[in-house]
This record gives sequence, C-alpha cells and structure tokens, in this order.
Amino acid sequence: GAGVSQSPRYKVAKRGQDVALRCDPISGHVSLFWYQQALGQGPEFLTYFQNEAQLDKSGLPSDRFFAERPEGSVSTLKIQRTQQEDSAVYLCASSLTYRGEYGYTFGSGTRLTVV
Amino acid sequence: QQQVKQSPQSLIVQKGGISIINCAYENTAFDYFPWYQQFPGKGPALLIAIRPDVSEKKEGRFTISFNKSAKQFSLHIMDSQPGDSATYFCAASINRGGAQKLVFGQGTRLTINP
Repeated sequence: GAGVSQSPRYKVAKRGQDVALRCDPISGHVSLFWYQQALGQGPEFLTYFQNEAQLDKSGLPSDRFFAERPEGSVSTLKIQRTQQEDSAVYLCASSLTYRGEYGYTFGSGTRLTVV
Repeated sequence: QQQVKQSPQSLIVQKGGISIINCAYENTAFDYFPWYQQFPGKGPALLIAIRPDVSEKKEGRFTISFNKSAKQFSLHIMDSQPGDSATYFCAASINRGGAQKLVFGQGTRLTINP
C-alpha cells in the first residue's frame, strides 16, 4: 500500500486481557519499528526489526510485551495481561533501508485503552 | 544521556509570524536530527532533518539551525499559517543494532492564530 497501515485503530481491553496489534509496513521496506506514545508525550522506542530479525528489543517495558515479524513484512505487537499503564498509542514505522537515510514513515497508530 | 529536551511545551503565534521551537541533547553520538509534525489522530510525519556537519538547512518555510558545540538545534517556521497548527517533535537518532533508532523530545503544541 501507499502508507503504513495499523489495525485496529482503537482497542479497549479489560485489565488482564491479551491484545494483538498489527502493522502492515510499506511494501519492500526493510526496517520496522514499534514506538509507544503516552498522552501528551513524544513517542518512545519499543523494538526494531530488520526484515524478520528482531535486532533490538531494549525498549520493551516488560516481558508481557512481545513482537514478531515472521516473514519480514507484517508485524504484530502482543501485550499479555494488559495493565492500565499500557494505555497509549502504539505507532509502527517503516523505512526502505536499514539505515533509514530516506526517513521513516509512521502509521496512524493503535490507541489502546485498558479499563 | 539518551534524552532530548524540547521547549516550549506550547506556543501561540499570529499568522505570518515566526515560530521557533528549541531542542537540546546530551549524547554526542547522535548523528541525525529530524523534526516531525503530528496532527491529531495521525502518526508523526517527517518535516525536515539535518546532520551535524551542517549548521543550517532550509526547506521552504522551514529551517533547522544546528549548534554542535552547544548541543542544541531549533526549528524555525517562517510566515506561519493556520495549517501549521500541530504538535512538533524534535528527535535524534543513534545507530544501534544497524538502525537509526529515534529518541524524541516531549513535543510542542503549536497554534497559529488567524
């Protein structure tokens, strides 16, 4: 597609529920990032994939967070046993090359609300 | 050492005026400094970016000024228009694990009054 597509756009989860957030990057883009954006804050890095390899997961806040990109295209961010502090917008970004010299394209995000 | 500090938090400018947003960083390993524009309900969109070997970059009404010795950089929006009303984020990237991972500032909510 023309842009980075994320689904669902909105997700309400009960505390303790598992959720899965999907990212469809721009076709052919090598690099894929997940960021977490709390209300009124800048995005914070969660994890990075180069093709199917997860090269950096240093930003994942706990072992309840898990991300995968099995075929080097679509990626899924999974959050197990959601907590209220997980409420945020989850942004996916992709880049044509691993160095990102052409910039990153962000999706519109998934707004997760944990009640 | 990973932080990027941005100011002001909010800014109101009259149409036609100059909007100025400032950022400061600590980590001298940063080698790429982009600015992103974000509208409500949308993801950040790249506006303009600079590398530390250049002191200024201009694209249309948008200019980045970069001061390497002071570890500061700023965004200037000339002839500000109501359509520029958005949240602006500065960022810096550090090459780790083969990728330019972005560290964002806290954001500036810009309002241009008509």
